[in-house]
Amino acid sequence: AQTVTQSQPEMSVQEAETVTLSCTYDTSESDYYLFWYKQPPSRQMILVIRQEAYKQQNATENRFSVNFQKAAKSFSLKISDSQLGDAAMYFCAYRSDLIQGAQKLVFGQGTRLTINP
Amino acid sequence: GAVVSQHPSWVICKSGTSVKIECRSLDFQATTMFWYRQFPKQSLMLMATSNEGSKATYEQGVEKDKFLINHASLTLSTLTVTSAHPEDSSFYICSARAGGSGSSYEQYFGPGTRLTVT
Repeated sequence: AQTVTQSQPEMSVQEAETVTLSCTYDTSESDYYLFWYKQPPSRQMILVIRQEAYKQQNATENRFSVNFQKAAKSFSLKISDSQLGDAAMYFCAYRSDLIQGAQKLVFGQGTRLTINP
Repeated sequence: GAVVSQHPSWVICKSGTSVKIECRSLDFQATTMFWYRQFPKQSLMLMATSNEGSKATYEQGVEKDKFLINHASLTLSTLTVTSAHPEDSSFYICSARAGGSGSSYEQYFGPGTRLTVT
């Protein structure tokens, strides 16, 4: 079974600075997707960024980018120019693409990000 | 963008009663819906996967007779917590996935339902 590990329970960063959240995963599959989700205090899950495993290029969405290292099974999230609104719980997630009916999301434990003004 | 709603957003019920939570996809047809449970300061735990018109598939350790899931239409799935007990108090989140090909199997999350059993 796939597992996702986020080793940083909490992180903090000064406003306007850059922060990197770590995520590692374990799988024997070659085709899969990786995601970063944000859960603010409202608890609404918001998709931040997605990476397809077959793509070598790292995904980027405005201030958010990933460092995807497939061989190392690492998938970190970099937030540039941190803003107060970035404060939230961040979850790394894995989704197999091998079997259509079993595309469940496997979540990491989460990292609580605090932005210091 | 795709919107998923949940109702109610917060419910309090007495121990021994049943409570139903609805999950609706508002602007797309959801062939698959997922139900998660989240305890305070913890991650999301998948409870079950439901496909429209068929029985739900429950994760190991989840009591199917306690957490009844019905996915009667392409826009509605319900989770009924039967004979609720205080330990069932939690935050329940649904997500919905549209059919399609390629990478369109995106999951869209509802806002969650806080259940408190007294």
